[in-house]
Order: sequence, then structure tokens, then C-alpha cells
Amino acid sequence: AQTVTQSQPEMSVQEAETVTLSCTYDTSESNYYLFWYKQPPSRQMILVIRQEAYKQQNATENRFSVNFQKAAKSFSLKISDSQLGDTAMYFCAFMKHNNDMRFGAGTRLTVKP
Amino acid sequence: ETGVTQSPTHLIKTRGQQVTLRCSSQSGHNTVSWYQQALGQGPQFIFQYYREEENGRGNFPPRFSGLQFPNYSSELNVNALELDDSALYLCASSLDRFSTDTQYFGPGTRLTVL
Repeated sequence: AQTVTQSQPEMSVQEAETVTLSCTYDTSESNYYLFWYKQPPSRQMILVIRQEAYKQQNATENRFSVNFQKAAKSFSLKISDSQLGDTAMYFCAFMKHNNDMRFGAGTRLTVKP
Repeated sequence: ETGVTQSPTHLIKTRGQQVTLRCSSQSGHNTVSWYQQALGQGPQFIFQYYREEENGRGNFPPRFSGLQFPNYSSELNVNALELDDSALYLCASSLDRFSTDTQYFGPGTRLTVL
């Protein structure tokens, strides 16, 4: 069974600085999808970034980028120029098929002014 | 284009009762997935509906059941509520049932079982 581990329950960063959130996963599959979702206090899960395992190039979305290390089964999220609105729970997720997405326990990120 | 909506926002029930939660999928989406998110944890997959048929189920007992309607909206029903059923219930819709289709989440329903 696929498992997703986020080893940092809480992190904080100063506004405008860079922070990296860690995620590791366990799978025997070769083709799959990885995600980072953000859940602010409003509770709605918002997709931050998505990575297809068959793509070697790391995904980027504006200030958000990932470091995908397939052999190490590692998928970290880097947030550059952190903003107060980035304060939220961040969940790493693994998906082989659309009907079975697995989430980690989350990392609570606080951006300090 | 409206996003995924869920109702009600909050709900309080007592142990042994039954509850129905509702989800309206994003326009054009035919696939709805339901998740349970206990306090301080990540969401756990309950089941998915594709074109009114169940299309996969997580490790949840049969007292968790669902429906999808012709307009692709969906219901989650939980019978014989237990205290551990207290959680945030999230639904997510996707354009189709393929892995290439991103899941878009609703704001959730907070269920408290007393």
C-alpha cells in the first residue's frame, strides 16, 4: 500500500523568505502523480502544484516549485518570497489512480510578518 | 462557472443517528470523490462515484454509502453514527475518472457526533 509521510508537523518562516516542506512516499509503482494541496483556515483544499512521475522536470507554479527525487521517493515543496497568505496546512498527496488519492498528515506553515 | 459546493456547513448529531451530506460538483465534472478528514490528520478516501456508479472504495465500513444523481451531484450517507465519525467531510469533483484529471475540493461539512 502506498503511504505518504510528512515529517514536519509545523514550520514557520519570515515573510519574503524561502521555506521548504518535506514529503516522502512509499510505492512500488513506476507511474503515478504527486500533489501539494494547501488548506487555509477556510478549510477548502486548494491545489498548489502537481507532478507526473514520468516527467523528470520539476514542476513550478509562480513562487511554488518542487524537488522531485523519484529514486529517493522524495517530493519537497519550496515556497519562495513567502507571503502572509501562504499561512495554511500543506498536504502532500500520492495518486496512482483517480479513485485512490493518499494524503500525508500535513505540515502547518506559519508565515510571520 | 461555479466551484464545488457542499451542504450543510456544520452538523451536530448524536450517536446511532443517520446523516446525509450533499455535494454539487463543478460544472462539467462527472466524477465525485468523498474524503473524511479527522482533526489533525490528512483526508482519507471514502469512495468515488463516476456517472452514477461507485468507482472505487477506501477502507470504510458499509454504513458509509453514497449516491450520485444524473446531474452528477452526490450524497454521502452515514448510518449508525459513532463518535469517531466526527470529522470534516470533503468532496472533490474531477472532469472525468482518469488520473490526469485534477480533483477540485469543496469547503467541507464539519460533522460532530455527540
